[in-house]
Amino acid sequence: AQTVTQSQPEMSVQEAETVTLSCTYDTSESDYYLFWYKQPPSRQMILVIRQEAYKQQNATENRFSVNFQKAAKSFSLKISDSQLGDAAMYFCAYMEYGNKLVFGAGTILRVKS
Amino acid sequence: DGGITQSPKYLFRKEGQNVTLSCEQNLNHDAMYWYRQDPGQGLRLIYYSQIVNDFQKGDIAEGYSVSREKKESFPLTVTSAQKNPTAFYLCASSIFLNTEAFFGQGTRLTVV
Repeated sequence: AQTVTQSQPEMSVQEAETVTLSCTYDTSESDYYLFWYKQPPSRQMILVIRQEAYKQQNATENRFSVNFQKAAKSFSLKISDSQLGDAAMYFCAYMEYGNKLVFGAGTILRVKS
Repeated sequence: DGGITQSPKYLFRKEGQNVTLSCEQNLNHDAMYWYRQDPGQGLRLIYYSQIVNDFQKGDIAEGYSVSREKKESFPLTVTSAQKNPTAFYLCASSIFLNTEAFFGQGTRLTVV
């Protein structure tokens, strides 16, 4: 069974600085998708960024970027110029092509002003 | 507006009663999912369905049941066999063969 591991239960970052959230996963497949979701206090799940495993180029969405290391099965999220609104729970998720979506345990991100 | 609607937002039930959580989507998505989230924890998959009239158990299906009679609807029943049903439940959907999942706003179930 596929597993997703987020080893940092909680992280803190100063406003305007950069923070990296870690994620590793386990799979024997070569084609799959990886995601980072954000869950603010409202508990609404919001897609932050996605990465297709067959793409070597790391995905970027404005201040959010990933470091995808396929051989190491690592998928970290970098948040640049952190803002107070970035404070939330962040979940890493994995999906095989057409299969179920599996989540990690999450990382709470606190942003200090 | 297209989206996923979960109802109700808050639900209270007495222990031993079955309760059904509603999930409706108008995104024309083939796949739908139910997740359970406990305080400070990640999302655990209960059931998922890729097409109408078909569904598969997730990691924690015991004590739950689902149906998928229509593409738009994927209700979840929490039965009396579920030993610890108090939790936050999230429904999601995605386009078949694509993978971006869209989530509803969740239902907070409290069993007293």
